[in-house]
Amino acid sequence: EDKVVQSPLSLVVHEGDTVTLNCSYEVTNFRSLLWYKQEKKAPTFLFMLTSSGIEKKSGRLSSILDKKELSSILNITATQTGDSAIYLCAVADQTGANNLFFGTGTRLTVIP
Amino acid sequence: DTGVSQDPRHKITKRGQNVTFRCDPISEHNRLYWYRQTLGQGPEFLTYFQNEAQLEKSRLLSDRFSAERPKGSFSTLEIQRTEQGDSAMYLCASSLGIARHYGYTFGSGTRLTVV
Repeated sequence: EDKVVQSPLSLVVHEGDTVTLNCSYEVTNFRSLLWYKQEKKAPTFLFMLTSSGIEKKSGRLSSILDKKELSSILNITATQTGDSAIYLCAVADQTGANNLFFGTGTRLTVIP
Repeated sequence: DTGVSQDPRHKITKRGQNVTFRCDPISEHNRLYWYRQTLGQGPEFLTYFQNEAQLEKSRLLSDRFSAERPKGSFSTLEIQRTEQGDSAMYLCASSLGIARHYGYTFGSGTRLTVV
């Protein structure tokens, strides 16, 4: 069965710190990996990664996929209190199914 | 508001009652998904529509659950004879193309509490 594992489960850092969140997966016929940020309600889309080794960047957030290691990392530099959220990793396969498999998320808390 | 909207935002119901939730996707999105999220877990797939056709259903979707998308626009998710284990956030999402290519846009969810 397809599986997505995120680590750590939770993390508390001070403003200004840099954090790295991890996602590893076991998916038959991998197609893409997505990162979402979930604050109080709806997960909001951050990145989609399909190619290994190509970093995607948006402001202080960046992410990269390693297909050999079946993993991805999400980096946040110079963290702010507004970065406090649950960060969800999800993967999609090639089989034609349209659902995404989500990990349990990493809860990030940034304290002033 | 051009996002995915869900109604109601919160629902408290007694065990055994039926509940119905509504989702209005982004108007140009032809694909609509329902997910369930319990505390401390990631969203779990329930079902998927392409236009009005329900094309996929998870084994999580027991026979007490039914979803419709009658005209290919809004969708409803009904839970009959609710149980305490149904308490969760029910998330709706829509996408323009295939999810694995484009990702989803999620709604804010309906939080169901069964007492």
